[in-house]
Amino acid sequence: SYVLTQPPSVSVAPGQTARITCGGNNIGSKSVHWYQQRPGQAPVLVVYDDSDRPSGIPERFSGSNSGNTATLTISRVEAGDEADYYCQVWDFGSNHWVFGGGTKLTVL
Amino acid sequence: EVQLVESGGGLVQPGGSLRVSCVVSGFRFSSYWMSWVRQAPGKGLEWVANINQDGSETKYVDSVRGRFTISRDNAKNSLYLQMNSLRAEDTAFYYCARCLCGDAGEGGFDPWGQGTLVTVSS
Repeated sequence: SYVLTQPPSVSVAPGQTARITCGGNNIGSKSVHWYQQRPGQAPVLVVYDDSDRPSGIPERFSGSNSGNTATLTISRVEAGDEADYYCQVWDFGSNHWVFGGGTKLTVL
Repeated sequence: EVQLVESGGGLVQPGGSLRVSCVVSGFRFSSYWMSWVRQAPGKGLEWVANINQDGSETKYVDSVRGRFTISRDNAKNSLYLQMNSLRAEDTAFYYCARCLCGDAGEGGFDPWGQGTLVTVSS
């Protein structure tokens, strides 16, 4: 089955840029979605279809996808961005939705 | 406002059954695929099942196929997950989510409910 690999943790100072990667075999050929999950809350879609933002999501959140790596970029990081972030794709081979293992973003 | 509200979670013994529900409002329920996603305490997200607009097509993760059944009642704006032969490893928060599912996996899940906790323990 298809596997998505994320770093367990990323740390960044306020005001800096955080980049969270999601690795998968030829992931550039798939649509990648990203979710933010703050402690004790349900996940929220922050980027869909590699780089589109749902309404209400700040422009500071952006995404890219090429080759074997997709990236969620959060610019001008704020304390409120501290959360777990998950990537997701549809795997045609297994007919399954697949999530990455999640990355904990810590704002120093 | 789009809302999804789960209910029906609780404590159940191994081998037992439970049905969780999700009532939606604020959008045309019958026009969307719907999904169940679970999260064991302190762990990551795991997709469980999907159902198409009229309930004629369903998909399951391998670990629940044959034990869980996803269904919907469009007249009641409700989504269900019937869980049988429950195991300790099924203990998790169960979230329902609207699937903005395109044919090529586009769209993602948005929004999500607040989740309901299912605990399988003797």
